[in-house]
Amino acid sequence: TQLLEQSPQFLSIQEGENLTVYCNSSSVFSSLQWYRQEPGEGPVLLVTVVTGGEVKKLKRLTFQFGDARKDSSLHITAAQPGDTGLYLCAGAARGSARQLTFGSGTQLTVLP
Amino acid sequence: EPEVTQTPSHQVTQMGQEVILRCVPISNHLYFYWYRQILGQKVEFLVSFYNNEISEKSEIFDDQFSVERPDGSNFTLKIRSTKLEDSAMYFCARLTGNYGYTFGSGTRLTVV
Repeated sequence: TQLLEQSPQFLSIQEGENLTVYCNSSSVFSSLQWYRQEPGEGPVLLVTVVTGGEVKKLKRLTFQFGDARKDSSLHITAAQPGDTGLYLCAGAARGSARQLTFGSGTQLTVLP
Repeated sequence: EPEVTQTPSHQVTQMGQEVILRCVPISNHLYFYWYRQILGQKVEFLVSFYNNEISEKSEIFDDQFSVERPDGSNFTLKIRSTKLEDSAMYFCARLTGNYGYTFGSGTRLTVV
């Protein structure tokens, strides 16, 4: 059974601060994805990282996949209140079905 | 890409009753998935469906669950005899490209 440990579970920061969310596993994933989920809605894909060591940037968000493809991080620079939400990491299993194993999520609150 | 549409958005049912949850993805996608999220818990994989057959299923997906693609475009999840612990958000998802997933907005199932 593949597990993804996501930390921190809750994060409350002031507008303008930087933050990093971590996603760790002992398993290797074929890809790792980050989602944002609003209350009562489905997860919305932010980014997919596939190659070990890969770094992707999405405006103020920087995503990194670990060299061994077991861990990932999400870094937000100069957080804004609009960044408030639940961030989920999810690893795609090797194999044809590619089902996702989700982390428990990080609830981010950015205070104005 | 058009969104994945799920109906109903909210379903209340009595314990022991059958429920059918529906999903309308684009018909030319091959991979579809059902996930569920119990309130306050992780998003969990239920089943993957490829080329009109179940590809993989989790331990949660027992004999009470079934999936169908009855008319080539709709994708359904049936729970034959609901239990209280089946109360959750159920998400349909499709594989977009090689790694991206598009999730529906979910059906909130409440078993009373």
